[in-house]
Amino acid sequence: DGGITQSPKYLFRKEGQNVTLSCEQNLNHDAMYWYRQDPGQGLRLIYYSQIVNDFQKGDIAEGYSVSREKKESFPLTVTSAQKNPTAFYLCASSITGVYGYTFGSGTRLTVV
Amino acid sequence: SQQGEEDPQALSIQEGENATMNCSYKTSINNLQWYRQNSGRGLVHLILIRSNEREKHSGRLRVTLDTSKKSSSLLITASRAADTASYFCATDFTGFQKLVFGTGTRLLVSP
Repeated sequence: DGGITQSPKYLFRKEGQNVTLSCEQNLNHDAMYWYRQDPGQGLRLIYYSQIVNDFQKGDIAEGYSVSREKKESFPLTVTSAQKNPTAFYLCASSITGVYGYTFGSGTRLTVV
Repeated sequence: SQQGEEDPQALSIQEGENATMNCSYKTSINNLQWYRQNSGRGLVHLILIRSNEREKHSGRLRVTLDTSKKSSSLLITASRAADTASYFCATDFTGFQKLVFGTGTRLLVSP
């Protein structure tokens, strides 16, 4: 079955640590996205990539970094510069054109 | 922020009733999409309506778009308990599939 996989499901980070969230898709989608969701709120765009080896900042990119070395993979690193990283992180992908997104099941990150 | 807003924030109905959610946005759009999110899960794409369309149907879902008022509505007919979820509208105002999500409507359908 084709889909988009995020791992881990839950992640705990100590103060000052960098952590990396994994996002892998086997849908052959060109575009991939990272969103952050805070309790009771909508989604805010962190980074997106429309082709391999290229990515763009979204609305809240500060304290985050990404890479897009393979079409299937778009990992997100939450750096120590992100002051309030506790949130639900969602990865999505889409094909080029006017189509909907396919979302992963999310990673819940908590700072301890 | 370009973020859209859904109204109401929360909606509680009985099974069999219809549920209507509204979405307003601020700038001209290329298309508007509706998504469902069950608690603690990822979002699921429901329906997409382009800026030159006024109404679309998919099963028990009906979406309307009024570009002059910059608003859309999602109607779920004959609601079921399984429809309990949060519903988000998302707008693409760039034409490059960079979606901006609204704040969501929490729908509770009681048996």
